[in-house]
Amino acid sequence: KNQVEQSPQSLIILEGKNCTLQCNYTVSPFSNLRWYKQDTGRGPVSLTIMTFSENTKSNGRYTATLDADTKQSSLHITASQLSDSASYICVVRDSNYQLIWGAGTKLIIKP
Amino acid sequence: GAVVSQHPSWVICKSGTSVKIECRSLDFQATTMFWYRQFPKQSLMLMATSNEGSKATYEQGVEKDKFLINHASLTLSTLTVTSAHPEDSSFYICSAIITGISGGFDTQYFGPGTRLTVL
Repeated sequence: KNQVEQSPQSLIILEGKNCTLQCNYTVSPFSNLRWYKQDTGRGPVSLTIMTFSENTKSNGRYTATLDADTKQSSLHITASQLSDSASYICVVRDSNYQLIWGAGTKLIIKP
Repeated sequence: GAVVSQHPSWVICKSGTSVKIECRSLDFQATTMFWYRQFPKQSLMLMATSNEGSKATYEQGVEKDKFLINHASLTLSTLTVTSAHPEDSSFYICSAIITGISGGFDTQYFGPGTRLTVL
C-alpha cells in the first residue's frame, strides 16, 4: 500500500535554531516528491519538487534532500523565523499521477 | 506566480441548506482542478478531480450527489455542498495545475481555502 509517513508529528524550537523534518514513503512506482508549507487556515504552498535523480534542492532557508534508495526525504530549515510556524506536508506522486499525502509535521517557532 | 482564489473564504449555514464554493484561476487557464477537504489536525484529503467540460471524477467514499462539482470554464470550478449537515463542516481547498513548467512537472497551486461551518 502506498503510504507517506512524516515525523515528528509536531516540533517546537526556538527562533534562530535549525530543524529537520522527516518523510518516509513506500510509494511505487515513484515520480516525484514535494514539500508544502501550510499556514493555519490557508492552502498549502509548494516549497520544493524533487525527482528520482535529485538528491538536494534548496529554496532559501529550506533545503530538501531525497534518498530514493531508502525512500526517505528530509526538509531542513535553517535559522528559523517566527513566520516558519506552520504545517509542513510531504507529498509523493506516483507514475499514475496520484498524489499521496503525508499527515504533516506541525512546527512551532517560539521567540 | 500563479494565483488561485476561492470564494467565500468562510461561510456559516443552517443544516439542510446548500452552499456553493467557487475556485478561480486568476492568471492562467486550468483544464484540471482538484477539490480537497481538510479536517482539524489532519492532512488534505482529495475529494474529486474536476476537468473542464466533463464530469468530475470522485474519490472513493465521496458522494457525488452531495458534493456537486461544475467546471464550466478554464478558470472556474464550483463545489456545491447540497443539504449540508454539521458533519460536512470542514476546510475545503481547491487547487489547479499548470502543466509543462518547473522542469516539465505539473505545478499545483492551491487556493486559500473555504471554512464551512454547518449549524
